[in-house]
Amino acid sequence: TQLLEQSPQFLSIQEGENLTVYCNSSSVFSSLQWYRQEPGEGPVLLVTVVTGGEVKKLKRLTFQFGDARKDSSLHITAAQPGDTGLYLCAGSRDDKIIFGKGTRLHILP
Amino acid sequence: DSGVTQTPKHLITATGQRVTLRCSPRSGDLSVYWYQQSLDQGLQFLIQYYNGEERAKGNILERFSAQQFPDLHSELNLSSLELGDSALYFCASSVGDVLGRGEAFFGQGTRLTVV
Repeated sequence: TQLLEQSPQFLSIQEGENLTVYCNSSSVFSSLQWYRQEPGEGPVLLVTVVTGGEVKKLKRLTFQFGDARKDSSLHITAAQPGDTGLYLCAGSRDDKIIFGKGTRLHILP
Repeated sequence: DSGVTQTPKHLITATGQRVTLRCSPRSGDLSVYWYQQSLDQGLQFLIQYYNGEERAKGNILERFSAQQFPDLHSELNLSSLELGDSALYFCASSVGDVLGRGEAFFGQGTRLTVV
């Protein structure tokens, strides 16, 4: 059983469209991180959310932590081809950082 | 550049062999994590060391072992290799106690191919 479920697994949309991807769990996390990984590279940290209900913005990316600290969402406005990649959420729990399987996002020019 | 250095970048070896992967954490980071990434399983946590001591263990096989040295670099040893061990192995480091914000910085990984 995957502790962090990400959806959708794959998403292919046109440049300029908006999208939301989700990270859900039945467990509470002290914090959640979002990473982006490109082929042949390691994941790169985008943001950490700590407080339930917290919203953080990174240019066209908006991250939200659920009130109960069990889930998170990533919304991208006006997607660009440079946003293409694997988006991973990760949670801190019991001295471990656990990753979801990711959403593979492809933005078509 | 995350500041985390992993060597080698690529490794091809035969079944039954033993290999060592090396990781140098970011300057000042005390925690080192090892992950295995395969297409079907995603990023699987293997083991964490904090300031030289094992801190947390994940889905690490008995054929695998790791250690963190006094200079804080870490090595992951994989023995009796099987075809299914072929994967990307990532090292990550963080500044301190994972019970905090849990942010980790990843190296570029070692691609292991077992033939």
